[in-house]
Amino acid sequence: GAGVSQSPRYKVTKRGQDVALRCDPISGHVSLYWYRQALGQGPEFLTYFNYEAQQDKSGLPNDRFSAERPEGSISTLTIQRTEQRDSAMYRCASSSGTSGRIETQYFGPGTRLLVL
Amino acid sequence: AQSVAQPEDQVNVAEGNPLTVKCTYSVSGNPYLFWYVQYPNRGLQFLLKYITGDNLVKGSYGFEAEFNKSQTSFHLKKPSALVSDSALYFCAVRPPLDSWGKFQFGAGTQVVVTP
Repeated sequence: GAGVSQSPRYKVTKRGQDVALRCDPISGHVSLYWYRQALGQGPEFLTYFNYEAQQDKSGLPNDRFSAERPEGSISTLTIQRTEQRDSAMYRCASSSGTSGRIETQYFGPGTRLLVL
Repeated sequence: AQSVAQPEDQVNVAEGNPLTVKCTYSVSGNPYLFWYVQYPNRGLQFLLKYITGDNLVKGSYGFEAEFNKSQTSFHLKKPSALVSDSALYFCAVRPPLDSWGKFQFGAGTQVVVTP
């Protein structure tokens, strides 16, 4: 597609349920990133992939959070046993992966997660 | 540890007046600096970036930013603001020696341009 897409756009779930958030990057983009953005704050890095390999997951807050990108394209961020503190906007970004650290990341619209 | 600061939660400016959104950073080495804008119900949109070279960087929608190494700042500017520039602006830094993935974002500055 023309840009990064994420689904669902909104997710309301009950505490203790698992949720899966999907990101479809810009076609051909090698690198994919997940961020979490709390209200009134800037995005906070969670994890990133080059192709299907998870290169850095140091931002994942605990072991309830996991991410995969099995075919090097679409990625899923999974939160198990959700807690109210997980409520936030979850953003995905992609970049071409050809220019290293100087390249621009392009963001999707985000998934707003609300845990009741 | 690296950090990015946007000292103003909100900036108010009248349409047609100059707009400045401040950003300061603290990183080891020479940083890569970015500005993004977030409109309501939309994703972050890239405005401009500084990698190396000329300290004045020109970007999208008439915005520019000046890298000042001595003051560790990267302020975003627009000579004449439009009402449509009202949005949330984020400064981000990527330390050159850090992981590819780690953008460090500021907390954001809400810009309100009044007619």
